[in-house]
Amino acid sequence: DAGVTQSPTHLIKTRGQQVTLRCSPISGHKSVSWYQQVLGQGPQFIFQYYEKEERGRGNFPDRFSARQFPNYSSELNVNALLLGDSALYLCASSTNRDRMNTEAFFGQGTRLTVV
Amino acid sequence: GEDVEQSLFLSVREGDSSVINCTYTDSSSTYLYWYKQEPGAGLQLLTYIFSNMDMKQDQRLTVLLNKKDKHLSLRIADTQTGDSAIYFCAEPLGVNRDDKIIFGKGTRLHILP
Repeated sequence: DAGVTQSPTHLIKTRGQQVTLRCSPISGHKSVSWYQQVLGQGPQFIFQYYEKEERGRGNFPDRFSARQFPNYSSELNVNALLLGDSALYLCASSTNRDRMNTEAFFGQGTRLTVV
Repeated sequence: GEDVEQSLFLSVREGDSSVINCTYTDSSSTYLYWYKQEPGAGLQLLTYIFSNMDMKQDQRLTVLLNKKDKHLSLRIADTQTGDSAIYFCAEPLGVNRDDKIIFGKGTRLHILP
């Protein structure tokens, strides 16, 4: 079975541009979460979506937005990119947010470099 | 507040035991996690412990939890070169295991020959 897949794996953007990152969850998983991992730091929670609804949001500016589609895939959008947005963006999927035994599985991430 | 603290580096000789320590602030977490991240790879859940347990053993891994001191440790017995990675202590801030997960900064484990 395919794990969590993210695209693209790497990309370079210029300050002020906008970027869209994509995530396909494991088949059967209905919840998707996004994390930002700056070099040398641990991942920081950005968003969680379940059944296309936002269920949690971290301490990130409004330049960050996301959505989940009917097939449970998700996109993370970042507008007006800053140099500080350079990071590894990780997507995690899980089966059912309402179950205590659900585990989050992480993808390989998208490495975003803002120049 | 939400915070997880851990030391940044640890060097251990191959064959010795590695002990990685962590302190956390949110005592309401039902679970506490250890994740492993290898270069160029995503995050892998290594093991977890329920907050009502003191210890969990899984092959070469031993997790110890001291709830009073909010201290979590991961012991890797007979450390191998394949254990070289960054280890993150983490806790979900909700009832569910996949809820907003707070990660420490990670401990980089270096294996000496």
